[in-house]
Amino acid sequence: DQQVKQNSPSLSVQEGRISILNCDYTNSMFDYFLWYKKYPAEGPTFLISISSIKDKNEDGRFTVFLNKSAKHLSLHIVPSQPGDSAVYFCAASTRRGSDMRFGAGTRLTVKP
Amino acid sequence: DTAVSQTPKYLVTQMGNDKSIKCEQNLGHDTMYWYKQDSKKFLKIMFSYNNKELIINETVPNRFSPKSPDKAHLNLHINSLELGDSAVYFCASSPTLRGRESTDTQYFGPGTRLTVL
Repeated sequence: DQQVKQNSPSLSVQEGRISILNCDYTNSMFDYFLWYKKYPAEGPTFLISISSIKDKNEDGRFTVFLNKSAKHLSLHIVPSQPGDSAVYFCAASTRRGSDMRFGAGTRLTVKP
Repeated sequence: DTAVSQTPKYLVTQMGNDKSIKCEQNLGHDTMYWYKQDSKKFLKIMFSYNNKELIINETVPNRFSPKSPDKAHLNLHINSLELGDSAVYFCASSPTLRGRESTDTQYFGPGTRLTVL
C-alpha cells in the first residue's frame, strides 16, 4: 500500500530556475511531512518539514507547501543550484511518530 | 564524528548464510530504526526500538531480528538469507517518540548494500 507517492521519478531543471517536487498521500491521519535529500552512496539527510497545522514552511532556498484538502505537498527550490542534484524523498507520519512512510523519490538534476 | 554509522557498507554473501549489520548512533537519540530500500527505491520501515523496546515490526519475516544492546546501538541479524533479501538497508535514529518538534526528524546512516548470491 503506497500511502505516499511521488509520481515523477525524475526532474531536470536549469540552474537558477525553480525546482518543484511533488508528493501525494492517501492517509488522512498523516500530520507531519518531511523531505529528505539523498546523494549516491549516502543515507538520506533531512531537508525540511511541515506539520499539518501549517500550509507553508520556508528555510532559505527551500519551501514546502502543504495542501491538506488535496493531500498534496510540494517542495520548491529557488534558485536551483547544481549541488541540489540528488534524489528527494517525501515522507509522512501520523501522530504516533514512528510509522513514517516514504515515497519512491524523485531524482532532481540541475543543469549548469 | 559520524552521527549514525553502519558496518559493513557492502556485504556479499551466499544464500542460506546468517549475517549481521551493525548500527551505532552518537546523537543520544532514544529511537532507532531499520529501513529496507527495495528495488523500486521505496524506503520501507522494518523495525524501530525505543529504550530497548520494539515498537514496530512491519510484517518482516522472522528471519530478521533486531538486537539492541544499548540505546546507541541497533543491530540487524538476518538468518537463512534469501535472494530477495538483496537490498540497501538503512539505519536511522530520532530524538524522541513523544513531542512533535523533532520526533520525526530521522538521521540516517549511509546504508549497507546487501547482495545475496
